[in-house]
Amino acid sequence: QQQVKQSPQSLIVQKGGISIINCAYENTAFDYFPWYQQFPGKGPALLIAIRPDVSEKKEGRFTISFNKSAKQFSLHIMDSQPGDSATYFCAALMTGGGNKLTFGTGTQLKVEL
Amino acid sequence: DTEVTQTPKHLVMGMTNKKSLKCEQHMGHRAMYWYKQKAKKPPELMFVYSYEKLSINESVPSRFSPECPNSSLLNLHLHALQPEDSALYLCASSQEPTGIGNTIYFGEGSWLTVV
Repeated sequence: QQQVKQSPQSLIVQKGGISIINCAYENTAFDYFPWYQQFPGKGPALLIAIRPDVSEKKEGRFTISFNKSAKQFSLHIMDSQPGDSATYFCAALMTGGGNKLTFGTGTQLKVEL
Repeated sequence: DTEVTQTPKHLVMGMTNKKSLKCEQHMGHRAMYWYKQKAKKPPELMFVYSYEKLSINESVPSRFSPECPNSSLLNLHLHALQPEDSALYLCASSQEPTGIGNTIYFGEGSWLTVV
């Protein structure tokens, strides 16, 4: 019930292409869904986040799509750039449950020239 | 400015040593966290401090001892660690310990190697 499943484990995209990472959850008590970007040797940095009452949120080239009924959400990176090469973690939070982030397993994205 | 500062960035310690990791934030956040991250894995929660009091301990071994001296500082005291404790230790903070849309911000982490 606490798991967040993330796919794919790794992804290679050509420069200018669209990167898509998918996550699914079971626990309907989750009420906040952030995405974190992590470069090698660095801590995770918040990229974008969404609440379940919103179906889509866009910030620059990054878009979260959220399907509450299917309990799925995804990150789309438009016009992918080599600088986007990093590990991406989806996460879920029960904000009334001690702010315990449940992370997905991570996706290693490589954007090739 | 969303900044969580951790020191040291790298630490090598023997199994009989005592060392500490330090974390500082000046965002007025009232919740602070310690996470542990192994290579190619997601961060795992260790401890949560809420208003300077320990609110969550995720069954962490007693060789890890957290301390929150004030609302801006969080320490992790290390003693008699094992080689398998080698990992990236991440400090994080959020404005409140609960509440919708409560973003958690991470520091750069402290790389710990136990020899």
